[in-house]
Amino acid sequence: GAGVSQSPRYKVAKRGQDVALRCDPISGHVSLFWYQQALGQGPEFLTYFQNEAQLDKSGLPSDRFFAERPEGSVSTLKIQRTQQEDSAVYLCASSPREGGNEQFFGPGTRLTVL
Amino acid sequence: AQSVTQPDIHITVSEGASLELRCNYSYGATPYLFWYVQSPGQGLQLLLKYFSGDTLVQGIKGFEAEFKRSQSSFNLRKPSVHWSDAAEYFCAVGPGAGSYQLTFGKGTKLSVIP
Repeated sequence: GAGVSQSPRYKVAKRGQDVALRCDPISGHVSLFWYQQALGQGPEFLTYFQNEAQLDKSGLPSDRFFAERPEGSVSTLKIQRTQQEDSAVYLCASSPREGGNEQFFGPGTRLTVL
Repeated sequence: AQSVTQPDIHITVSEGASLELRCNYSYGATPYLFWYVQSPGQGLQLLLKYFSGDTLVQGIKGFEAEFKRSQSSFNLRKPSVHWSDAAEYFCAVGPGAGSYQLTFGKGTKLSVIP
């Protein structure tokens, strides 16, 4: 079956631009997660959705980062006024269970801010 | 707070040799433990997981890992490495009480000499 998909796979933005990154989870998966992976580092948690409810956004680095999952399926991570330190791979994961103790990851979106 | 340490940043082994990647964790309760593999430009693929029970767990691609509570370790092993195993390997812990996130180590890059 289809796995988690993310688009675009690559995004180049000029500093100050807004970007939107899309995640299509595995159909029927209740939980959805966003992670940020800087170069040479492990993924770091950004936010968690259970269906359409955003239950944890403690990892979002600033109020320039915003995520939504309005119908409990597709999710969008938006970054406003991008800065160079936002350059990273953004990974989306989904899980069939609440709490997500088994997460399936997408290929990621590599964001480069110039 | 939960944390994961992978002491080896980069390991090089010869094809056919055995492999052990180290992982130590800090966690307040019985942990859920994971090993993921990431090939260049790819997302994270789950190799194996430990939730409870038998402390030696088998995964895909011939990998296994052993949970040792007394040492707070969850080392990954493979008896004979193949060139296609060259990738980055991440150990992760969680989710935990009141937290939905996986916490990852910084990863170990594996190079395989033909």
